[in-house]
Amino acid sequence: GAGVSQSPRYKVAKRGQDVALRCDPISGHVSLFWYQQALGQGPEFLTYFQNEAQLDKSGLPSDRFFAERPEGSVSTLKIQRTQQEDSAVYLCASSFTGANYGYTFGSGTRLTVV
Amino acid sequence: AQKITQTQPGMFVQEKEAVTLDCTYDTSDPSYGLFWYKQPSSGEMIFLIYQGSYDQQNATEGRYSLNFQKARKSANLVISASQLGDSAMYFCAMREGDFNKFYFGSGTKLNVKP
Repeated sequence: GAGVSQSPRYKVAKRGQDVALRCDPISGHVSLFWYQQALGQGPEFLTYFQNEAQLDKSGLPSDRFFAERPEGSVSTLKIQRTQQEDSAVYLCASSFTGANYGYTFGSGTRLTVV
Repeated sequence: AQKITQTQPGMFVQEKEAVTLDCTYDTSDPSYGLFWYKQPSSGEMIFLIYQGSYDQQNATEGRYSLNFQKARKSANLVISASQLGDSAMYFCAMREGDFNKFYFGSGTKLNVKP
């Protein structure tokens, strides 16, 4: 497609449930990023892939968060045993290498943990 | 210390007037990039403008210009001739050196009045 596609658009999870969030980047984009955006805040970096290699996962808040991009295209962010503080919008972005002109972001997945 | 500071939680501007959104940044890396993004209520982050730390001229993109004052570490966004469709959240962001992750500010909510 023409843009970065994320699914689902909305997800409600019961506390303790596992969730998987999907990101389809723009075809040919080598770099892929995940960000977490809490209500009323700016996005915060979670993790970065270059092709299938996860080069930076310093922003993942706990070992309950896991991301993968096994074939260097689609990526999945998995959150195990969700907690209420995980409620946020999860944004995916992709770019060619050297993001001098910014990423292209998806519309995000809004996760609500109840 | 905050990498990016946006001190205006909300701004109002009359349609067709110009508005300046403030952004200051903090880095010791001589090579960095500064970005502005627009986030409408739909949630997608839209890239507006980029300024590199070594760029001599202020960046401009249509009605958007970046007032880059390196010594003051400020990168204010100027929107000329505001339109109703400019109503959105605006985020300032920075990328340091060769690192790919962005640091975002907390955003400014702009409301354009008819």
